[in-house]
Amino acid sequence: AQSVAQPEDQVNVAEGNPLTVKCTYSVSGNPYLFWYVQYPNRGLQFLLKYITGDNLVKGSYGFEAEFNKSQTSFHLKKPSALVSDSALYFCALGYNFNKFYFGSGTKLNVKP
Amino acid sequence: DTAVSQTPKYLVTQMGNDKSIKCEQNLGHDTMYWYKQDSKKFLKIMFSYNNKELIINETVPNRFSPKSPDKAHLNLHINSLELGDSAVYFCASSQGPSGASSTDTQYFGPGTRLTVL
Repeated sequence: AQSVAQPEDQVNVAEGNPLTVKCTYSVSGNPYLFWYVQYPNRGLQFLLKYITGDNLVKGSYGFEAEFNKSQTSFHLKKPSALVSDSALYFCALGYNFNKFYFGSGTKLNVKP
Repeated sequence: DTAVSQTPKYLVTQMGNDKSIKCEQNLGHDTMYWYKQDSKKFLKIMFSYNNKELIINETVPNRFSPKSPDKAHLNLHINSLELGDSAVYFCASSQGPSGASSTDTQYFGPGTRLTVL
């Protein structure tokens, strides 16, 4: 069955340190993978996506993600975290023509 | 200009009532969606419309009925509201000229927080 998982409910990191928010997927066929961010009391905002091509995808606000087919992962990364990065992050999986699922979300806390 | 807008932002109502949430997008997109986000922040798609036609209809009680008068609008009507309907409802849109493409970026509205008492 198709699915997307975010194994961590919460990630804590100090400002200035690198951050990683994990996402793994399961799909038969080609996966299309997305990261969205949700700030408090706001709608989701698109960060980046992998459709095909280069496995390293660069997105908004200095975020990037690496598609790893062998590990079926699409982890979100940033070299140096900012307090303003604190938010809820969703990984999403698209497949077939019009199917997609959102992960359960990971709350990122960046402390000064 | 707001790309995807929803009204109202907050909706508090009694069980058994009927209510509607409106959504409009000014991005010229062909596909619009409704999502429900529960108290644990889990996000689940409910419906998707492409050019006013229903293309995704997940397992949702038939008390929920989407209406798309034109491709820029997708409204959500809910009959006989129940306590479990309390959630934040998000509207979204994507380019999707061929339907709700799984490769399309979705643009979300600010959400409508529905509280059923």
